[in-house]
Amino acid sequence: DTEVTQTPKHLVMGMTNKKSLKCEQHMGHRAMYWYKQKAKKPPELMFVYSYEKLSINESVPSRFSPECPNSSLLNLHLHALQPEDSALYLCASSLYRGSDANQPQHFGDGTRLSIL
Amino acid sequence: TQLLEQSPQFLSIQEGENLTVYCNSSSVFSSLQWYRQEPGEGPVLLVTVVTGGEVKKLKRLTFQFGDARKDSSLHITAAQPGDTGLYLCAGGSPGQNFVFGPGTRLSVLP
Repeated sequence: DTEVTQTPKHLVMGMTNKKSLKCEQHMGHRAMYWYKQKAKKPPELMFVYSYEKLSINESVPSRFSPECPNSSLLNLHLHALQPEDSALYLCASSLYRGSDANQPQHFGDGTRLSIL
Repeated sequence: TQLLEQSPQFLSIQEGENLTVYCNSSSVFSSLQWYRQEPGEGPVLLVTVVTGGEVKKLKRLTFQFGDARKDSSLHITAAQPGDTGLYLCAGGSPGQNFVFGPGTRLSVLP
């Protein structure tokens, strides 16, 4: 079982809908990440939060809006998505943000999103 | 931007065979990590390697970090169907974003 919990596991939404993806971890990690993964491709970084502050936005369209209410929670708000946004959305956490050693990222099982 | 390449892209072998997959870069990484991802699940961390030349073993899996910290390999001994999955290497260095390689998709046939 993963220590990073994502809900929902599956989400189908129309292009005009508004929905949110949720991620939760209780490992005391202070860095949290959103990734997008298309079929047969590696995860692509979208956002990084460090100590509840947005530190990286990898030029993600504004129809994706991240939020970090506290150190354990990370949300991704979705609005007016396009069919090409259909993908597996992965949340990850690490002890703190950094590319140094011993900063492995722990992943949730993702939310599989389908846009009709 | 640091980039990681992985080879082979696909590998299909019979149960009991040995295999090695590779992760290469032209850049130096302060650490590299290996993950395995199964369909419908997130990547699961297998190992982190930090020191050039380091070798780590995890049951039938042996991981090596190159002396120059630009490459890594994963060797599996006596592969089993449960080893099937997407193997991803990932790494980073101070001031650089964490990056993933494109992955090696392994299929172990019974």
